[in-house]
Amino acid sequence: QQKVQQSPESLIVPEGGMASLNCTSSDRNVDYFWWYRQHSGKSPKMLMSIFSNGEKEEGRFTVHLNKASLHTSLHIRDSQPSDSALYLCAASTAGGNYKPTFGKGTSLVVHP
Amino acid sequence: DTTVKQNPRYKLARVGKPVNLICSQTMNHDTMYWYQKKPNQAPKLLLFYYDKILNREADTFEKFQSSRPNNSFCSLYIGSAGLEYSAMYLCASSRQNTGQLYFGEGSKLTVL
Repeated sequence: QQKVQQSPESLIVPEGGMASLNCTSSDRNVDYFWWYRQHSGKSPKMLMSIFSNGEKEEGRFTVHLNKASLHTSLHIRDSQPSDSALYLCAASTAGGNYKPTFGKGTSLVVHP
Repeated sequence: DTTVKQNPRYKLARVGKPVNLICSQTMNHDTMYWYQKKPNQAPKLLLFYYDKILNREADTFEKFQSSRPNNSFCSLYIGSAGLEYSAMYLCASSRQNTGQLYFGEGSKLTVL
C-alpha cells in the first residue's frame, strides 16, 4: 500500500511569514496530489490540487509538483492566523476508481 | 450546497456491541468513502462505494460492512466493536472524474 509522508509534522511561523509544507508518495503509479486544510473541529476541505509537473498559484497559496520524485510542496506566503490548521496531503493513481491515500498532516500555527 | 452530513457526531459503544454510522450527501456524487482517523495517524481508507459497487480495503475487509440503499446515503456498520475501533470516522463523497473529496464533520466513536 502506498505511503504518503508529510514534513514537517508541525510548523510555527509568524504572521506575514512564509510557510512551506512537503509531501512525498512512495507509489510510483501516483498521478494526482491534493492538499486539504482542516481547521480545528471542522471537516477537511480541499485547498489545491495539482496533476502536472510544475507550479500552480492561487492567491497566497502556491503548490509545486515534481512527478519524477513524487514530491509536492505547498507554500503559503503572507501567512495569517486564520491559516492555522492541519494540512493534509492526498495522492491517488489515475484511471479507474480514485482511492486517495492521505498523509498524517502538518500542523501549522501562525502566531500574531 | 456542498454538504456532507454524518450522524451521530458522537457515539459511545460497549465492547462487543454493534455500531452503525450514517452519512448523507445531496450533491448527487457517485462515490462515497469511509475513512478512519486516529490521533497522530493518517486518515485510513476503509471502503468506498462507486455507484452501487462496494470496494473494501484488504486489511479491513472483515471488520467493516456498509450499505448504500440510494445515491445520497451510505452507512458504516461494525458488527462487534472492539477497543481498537475507537476513532473518528470520516465520510466523504466525490464525483468519479474529479477526485476531489467533500468531507463530513465526522463521527467520533468511543468504545468502552
